[in-house]
Amino acid sequence: ETGVTQTPRHLVMGMTNKKSLKCEQHLGHNAMYWYKQSAKKPLELMFVYSLEERVENNSVPSRFSPECPNSSHLFLHLHTLQPEDSALYLCASSQEVERGYEQYFGPGTRLTVT
Amino acid sequence: KNQVEQSPQSLIILEGKNCTLQCNYTVSPFSNLRWYKQDTGRGPVSLTIMTFSENTKSNGRYTATLDADTKQSSLHITASQLSDSASYICVVSADRGSTLGRLYFGRGTQLTVWP
Repeated sequence: ETGVTQTPRHLVMGMTNKKSLKCEQHLGHNAMYWYKQSAKKPLELMFVYSLEERVENNSVPSRFSPECPNSSHLFLHLHTLQPEDSALYLCASSQEVERGYEQYFGPGTRLTVT
Repeated sequence: KNQVEQSPQSLIILEGKNCTLQCNYTVSPFSNLRWYKQDTGRGPVSLTIMTFSENTKSNGRYTATLDADTKQSSLHITASQLSDSASYICVVSADRGSTLGRLYFGRGTQLTVWP
């Protein structure tokens, strides 16, 4: 266990559905991240939060909407997704948003869009 | 262009044998390099982290080396076990730029250990 939990572990949704992914870290970290991992592609960093403020936002489609209500919780709200959005979505946390701090990953949510 | 290339893409070895995974990068300026192990259906777990001044670092049966001059790193696994079957990801961090722009991920090497 890395101290980062994600729910659900698996999710199947239609293109018209709205769902949310949840991440919780029990490490007292100040930074949290959402990653997308597609088959045979490198991990893609989607969003970065530091102390509940979104620090950076990669060129992610607006159908993905992150929310960080406090430093321990991170959500990814999904709506009108496309089949190509099917992937493993990983949450991670680190002590600070600095290059020297190790990131601890959750187990991921396997998302399938039908 | 900053990139991280890993080889081989996949590898099968017999239990008890040693193996070496490669990571070549063009990321500059360099800050640090990490090796992660990712079991199927799980999130990546950090194995080692090395900065510019470190040439080698061990974590049990895992030994990582770094040659900052040639921009190459290797991960050597000794006396492999079935539990070593996983994807091994090389991540290089740049010394400047935004958080999103600092981290460069390799595609990983899929290692399978057979009994």
